[in-house]
Amino acid sequence: GENVEQHPSTLSVQEGDSAVIKCTYSDSASNYFPWYKQELGKRPQLIIDIRSNVGEKKDQRIAVTLNKTAKHFSLHITETQPEDSAVYFCAGSDGAAGNKLTFGGGTRVLVKP
Amino acid sequence: GAVVSQHPSWVICKSGTSVKIECRSLDFQATTMFWYRQFPKQSLMLMATSNEGSKATYEQGVEKDKFLINHASLTLSTLTVTSAHPEDSSFYICSASRPGEGDYEQYFGPGTRLTVT
Repeated sequence: GENVEQHPSTLSVQEGDSAVIKCTYSDSASNYFPWYKQELGKRPQLIIDIRSNVGEKKDQRIAVTLNKTAKHFSLHITETQPEDSAVYFCAGSDGAAGNKLTFGGGTRVLVKP
Repeated sequence: GAVVSQHPSWVICKSGTSVKIECRSLDFQATTMFWYRQFPKQSLMLMATSNEGSKATYEQGVEKDKFLINHASLTLSTLTVTSAHPEDSSFYICSASRPGEGDYEQYFGPGTRLTVT
């Protein structure tokens, strides 16, 4: 089955700096890669996703890049703000089993003002 | 659109009792629902995949007789934790998908915090 590894597990950045989180996946059949932001005690919130037919996607301060050959994808947050502090999860899916997702271990991001 | 609710949002029960958690898709028909468990400072661990009208598919290591899942309609799935013990205390989250509509996204419920005393 799919295995998704996420690094780093914690990330501390100064407000205004960029944050980068990287994930690797094992199943070459995976074709959908969402990123979630989760605040304490809340549900995961989809912030951006990318399909395997696209190499990069951007939404304001957030961007995701995908390298299918190397089987890794990354989340980039620019101009970080204190409200970006949360836990971020990457995930992968091959669209089978009702869009079953395999999650990475999570990255705790702290943006220091 | 694509709203998923869970009930209750939190529950405290005594060891040995059973607890039922409901997951509802409010404005769409969910052909598939997923149940996750999340321990503090850990990732979401998939427990089972629930398809309407059929038996749930459990992940390796998840006891199907302890975590009973019923997906009786396209808008409701329930998770019953039977004979709960303190180690079952966790945050349980459901999600729903509608893959038949070309939609890859999973829509998450707000979660249920279970505390077993």
